[in-house]
Amino acid sequence: AQSVAQPEDQVNVAEGNPLTVKCTYSVSGNPYLFWYVQYPNRGLQFLLKYITGDNLVKGSYGFEAEFNKSQTSFHLKKPSALVSDSALYFCAVRDHSGNTPLVFGKGTRLSVIA
Amino acid sequence: GAVVSQHPSRVICKSGTSVKIECRSLDFQATTMFWYRQFPKQSLMLMATSNEGSKATYEQGVEKDKFLINHASLTLSTLTVTSAHPEDSSFYICSAPGTVMNTEAFFGQGTRLTVV
Repeated sequence: AQSVAQPEDQVNVAEGNPLTVKCTYSVSGNPYLFWYVQYPNRGLQFLLKYITGDNLVKGSYGFEAEFNKSQTSFHLKKPSALVSDSALYFCAVRDHSGNTPLVFGKGTRLSVIA
Repeated sequence: GAVVSQHPSRVICKSGTSVKIECRSLDFQATTMFWYRQFPKQSLMLMATSNEGSKATYEQGVEKDKFLINHASLTLSTLTVTSAHPEDSSFYICSAPGTVMNTEAFFGQGTRLTVV
């Protein structure tokens, strides 16, 4: 069975500082990995994905994530945080097979302080 | 990119009434739609999978008679919360799986249901 762990419920960072939101996964075979962001009372917005290829993936709004197979991690990073980045972030995994749902981590609330 | 439109965004209803939530794929055909429920400050929990032309598949612990799912066409899936109770108050989100070209899933805007 697939699973995703986001060990931090909350991450606080000062504006302008780098941010990291952690994610580890468990899946049989090669994973499809995703990061989504959710603002209050809104659906999920796609940030980036890892399917294959370069381990460093660049996505929307300056976010990037690094796929580390040996550590089964896919941490989300941004070099310089903005107050507007404050939101709820979800890591998700899917296996390769067709129409399967995403399995989500519990989410990490990011708070960027001015 | 692909768009999933979910309506209504917010609904307040009285206990005992039924509420229908619609999800439409606007520029693609979604043969499958996933329905999630999100409790405050928690993750998304898969409730059921709807498939066009066949019965929905429900996750363990989800009452199929309580949460009626219909996938009427290749662009419309609906979730009806029947005889709603306050404990059904939650945030409901639909999602269409990725296609061959776009592997990420596409999410509706979500529906905040409040049962009073």
